[in-house]
Amino acid sequence: GAGVSQTPSNKVTEKGKYVELRCDPISGHTALYWYRQSLGQGPEFLIYFQGTGAADDSGLPNDRFFAVRPEGSVSTLKIQRTERGDSAVYLCASSPPGTVTGELFFGEGSRLTVL
Amino acid sequence: AQSVTQLDSQVPVFEEAPVELRCNYSSSVSVYLFWYVQYPNQGLQLLLKYLSGSTLVKGINGFEAEFNKSQTSFHLRKPSVHISDTAEYFCAAHGPSGNTPLVFGKGTRLSVIA
Repeated sequence: GAGVSQTPSNKVTEKGKYVELRCDPISGHTALYWYRQSLGQGPEFLIYFQGTGAADDSGLPNDRFFAVRPEGSVSTLKIQRTERGDSAVYLCASSPPGTVTGELFFGEGSRLTVL
Repeated sequence: AQSVTQLDSQVPVFEEAPVELRCNYSSSVSVYLFWYVQYPNQGLQLLLKYLSGSTLVKGINGFEAEFNKSQTSFHLRKPSVHISDTAEYFCAAHGPSGNTPLVFGKGTRLSVIA
């Protein structure tokens, strides 16, 4: 499709396990963002890529969280030693070059449940 | 640091009635302001934005918002709502530097009642 694609849409895992969430942005979009949305809250910024490099990773909560975008397109968010508090919907967004930051195109999210 | 406050977590309203969803931001510098909408089982979509210029901004689906610098507000309005407007609405802001991330409010759940 033409939109931002996120997989899996749902992931259930056990505490302590490793999880990868994938984001396929809109073709040609150079900026890619990860946000986390907990129940009853708005999206919370995690990390932002411009091309292959992380331009701002100030929102990553701790060193268990890591994200990559090796070829400047698909991105993977990696969570090690998952905890119950990591349960949330993880949102990916992208934007084309030359647009104002904030004009983002969002995927439908990956819902992570840690048991 | 930028912050966004949405004063109402839930707003029920009857069909064809007007609605206002409130948003206040805190910043000592100019900001860019946005409203996003999230329909059930869909991703967030941009509804409208304020960058500069006219303080009254019109968006999709008949929504509009007014930027009020003195009150640091960016309230969203629609004169007559439809059942299909039932969704979660998020106000968001970021500062003038292109490197600052977008900050969202907690959201307002608009429920339109037939």
